[in-house]
Amino acid sequence: QKEVEQNSGPLSVPEGAIASLNCTYSDRGSQSFFWYRQYSGKSPELIMFIYSNGDKEDGRFTAQLNKASQYVSLLIRDSQPSDSATYLCAVNAGGTSYGKLTFGQGTILTVHP
Amino acid sequence: DVKVTQSSRYLVKRTGEKVFLECVQDMDHENMFWYRQDPGLGLRLIYFSYDVKMKEKGDIPEGYSVSREKKERFSLILESASTNQTSMYLCASRGGTGAIYGYTFGSGTRLTVV
Repeated sequence: QKEVEQNSGPLSVPEGAIASLNCTYSDRGSQSFFWYRQYSGKSPELIMFIYSNGDKEDGRFTAQLNKASQYVSLLIRDSQPSDSATYLCAVNAGGTSYGKLTFGQGTILTVHP
Repeated sequence: DVKVTQSSRYLVKRTGEKVFLECVQDMDHENMFWYRQDPGLGLRLIYFSYDVKMKEKGDIPEGYSVSREKKERFSLILESASTNQTSMYLCASRGGTGAIYGYTFGSGTRLTVV
């Protein structure tokens, strides 16, 4: 069983719509959760992190965490063509893991005009 | 902003060569990581380091070694390059082990072994 799972997509949404990206994880002791955006040919860049149950908003982005269901999601409101990228979910197990992050395989998002 | 610099953007090496990939960060971070990224496989951890001269194996260490002689520099070594090591290699740095710390990635090195 994969530790961090994402739907690989591609997810296609029209410009202005809400894009919803989902991630599940297997380690119930996981402490913090990160969303990275990766443009084609580029390295990942951090866009959000969350460690408490509930929602966290930053501009057009909202991260949602449900530890009981072992589920984390990223909502992108008013999607723009510039949001087209691969979105990576990453999980920190905490404890003595020295801050290692385990990544999902990523969801490809395409926002079409 | 933290800057993580990887010495080469593209490299082409021959099978059997010893290959050095260099990574330097400028924020005095303790934790540094090497991943490789392959289509369909995502990011896989090769090695990481939590202090100078300290290293730990990740999920796929076979065929690789690392060196961390100074805090700012973390090197990945391919002892004898093989074609199955053709990949994108990403170095990352992390400011701490607390919940709020994410990675900052370097720009990546695309290695082709022929």
